[in-house]
Amino acid sequence: EIVLTQSPATLSLSPGERATLSCRASQSVSNYLAWYQQKPGQAPRLLIYDASNRATGIPARFSGSGSGTDFTLTISSLEPEDFAVYYCQQRRNWPWTFGQGTKVEIK
Amino acid sequence: EVQLLESGGGLVQPGGSLRLSCAASGFTFSSYAMSWVRQAPGKGLEWVSVISGSGGSTYYADSVKGRFTISRDNSKNTLYLQMNSLRAEDTAVYYCTKDQGGVLAAAGTFAYWGQGTLVTVSS
Repeated sequence: EIVLTQSPATLSLSPGERATLSCRASQSVSNYLAWYQQKPGQAPRLLIYDASNRATGIPARFSGSGSGTDFTLTISSLEPEDFAVYYCQQRRNWPWTFGQGTKVEIK
Repeated sequence: EVQLLESGGGLVQPGGSLRLSCAASGFTFSSYAMSWVRQAPGKGLEWVSVISGSGGSTYYADSVKGRFTISRDNSKNTLYLQMNSLRAEDTAVYYCTKDQGGVLAAAGTFAYWGQGTLVTVSS
């Protein structure tokens, strides 16, 4: 099973600041990595797929990069609605797995 | 507009059974792989099972293999999850998801999610 490790566990930032979230895989997942956003009481929402492609309707301030084992989700300038938990997920190998999540909270 | 509406959750005793349903609309249901993803209270996400568009191929997480069965009725645009021999650790919100890809070989990106249905396993 591929283990995804996200860091940091919590990121405390102010609106307008840049957020950089990391996801590291225990073995190569090529570019088969997605990022999801989840707000309290809501279902997750797809943000980025195949490492760097924004999903439909996702603002340009969200960007993804990386390949192999190291990936980054960047939010260029945090909006109030961006404070949430973010998960990475791989589909390279069965079983598909998620990281444990990074909480982006208001500082 | 893609809509996924889960139902069937509730309280069940350990060892019991439950069947979840997911009514889909807004897309050609039979053309897409569908998955169930769960989230235990206060925890992260765990993929549970996937089924191909035709229903001919299925995969399961080891934690549910042999106890859960995923199926679909393309004539009713409905996805199912039959859960048997339920354990306390199966307690979670279960989400129905529509894959981004059509064929199973390209599946594994959860493009759309339902609102979830809570399953509680407790005596």
